[in-house]
Amino acid sequence: DAGVIQSPRHEVTEMGQEVTLRCKPISGHDYLFWYRQTMMRGLELLIYFNNNVPIDDSGMPEDRFSAKMPNASFSNLKIQPSEPRDSAVYFCASSFALGRGNTIYFGEGSWLTVV
Amino acid sequence: AQSVTQLDSHVSVSEGTPVLLRCNYSSSYSPSLFWYVQHPNKGLQLLLKYTSAATLVKGINGFEAEFKKSETSFHLTKPSAHMSDAAEYFCVVSDQNGNQFYFGTGTSLTVIP
Repeated sequence: DAGVIQSPRHEVTEMGQEVTLRCKPISGHDYLFWYRQTMMRGLELLIYFNNNVPIDDSGMPEDRFSAKMPNASFSNLKIQPSEPRDSAVYFCASSFALGRGNTIYFGEGSWLTVV
Repeated sequence: AQSVTQLDSHVSVSEGTPVLLRCNYSSSYSPSLFWYVQHPNKGLQLLLKYTSAATLVKGINGFEAEFKKSETSFHLTKPSAHMSDAAEYFCVVSDQNGNQFYFGTGTSLTVIP
């Protein structure tokens, strides 16, 4: 299996620009997660989906952030407008199921720098 | 509520010596526990997990962890460190239903040649 695939791996953008991060989960996984990692706050769960439906978006920092999952093999996370404090590594992860002992598998991350 | 505490933010060991990365958890229920490793500029990779079977769990790359309920601990060990073990390690606990994952703040492991 190819694992969770994220793009772009690195993005540098100017403040105010729209940023779109993309994710392809592992085939057959019904759960998809977006995490953000920073030095200050560590790993934070932003949102997760089950069968393409957002279940918990309480971690989304503000209205500038949105995430969609139009089908089982694709999700995107958008930031509009972007700000320097959004600079972080954004991880997508997927899981076959939730429940005791189930494992989440991470992509290699999208390194975002907003200048 | 579930939480996990990684007691050391940085650990340095010499190559060939044992590794001990400490993790204590708080959980109202019998938890599922995980260790993930993150190499520089990479994603998180599962090392091992405990799900109420054997308390000593063996993972990849020679790592193992022991679930000790009485101590609420799940420390990660390896008998002999290798240079390639230098990375960030995360202890993770999931809630009773496995619907939420709580990450520790990470331990950075340095291996000195």
